[in-house]
Amino acid sequence: GENVEQHPSTLSVQEGDSAVIKCTYSDSASNYFPWYKQELGKGPQLIIDIRSNVGEKKDQRIAVTLNKTAKHFSLHITETQPEDSAVYFCARPGFQKLVFGTGTRLLVSP
Amino acid sequence: DTEVTQTPKHLVMGMTNKKSLKCEQHMGHRAMYWYKQKAKKPPELMFVYSYEKLSINESVPSRFSPECPNSSLLNLHLHALQPEDSALYLCASSRAPGELSTGELFFGEGSRLTVL
Repeated sequence: GENVEQHPSTLSVQEGDSAVIKCTYSDSASNYFPWYKQELGKGPQLIIDIRSNVGEKKDQRIAVTLNKTAKHFSLHITETQPEDSAVYFCARPGFQKLVFGTGTRLLVSP
Repeated sequence: DTEVTQTPKHLVMGMTNKKSLKCEQHMGHRAMYWYKQKAKKPPELMFVYSYEKLSINESVPSRFSPECPNSSLLNLHLHALQPEDSALYLCASSRAPGELSTGELFFGEGSRLTVL
């Protein structure tokens, strides 16, 4: 029940394009789904999260969607900029801990 | 202050050395964590301290010894490490362990450890 599958592992886009990263979970009891961004040389930082009572949440250029039936949630970044280049991790809460997805390296080319 | 501060940022040590990694937060958080991150991998949990008591040890070898002197400080004592222990060690905190289902995990920038 702890696994979180994340795809793709790498994603290259041109500046201004959109990027979508998807995570699939197996534990039906999961009700909180955060996304973390890790820039080079830094620790992960929470950028957006969603709870199971909503299907979508937006914050400027980023959004997260949740499909509880299919057990997957996705991160959407629109109008990508070079500073969006980083590694993105989805996560799900376990017992007193966060279990991270395998990560997606996003590269935004000018 | 929403920072988790880790020192040192970089550490190189031999297999016979004893060293310590330090972590500090002043957000009043009562849960603190050590994660290990290898290159191109997600962070993996090592230890959880809840209200200054060790609550989770993810079967970490005894050459890693955590310590929580008070609610703001977390140490990781290192002794007789192996080259494969080279990694980025991340400290994190949260308001309380049970609130990870609704709250945020705050990470420090990490201590990059190289074992020769």
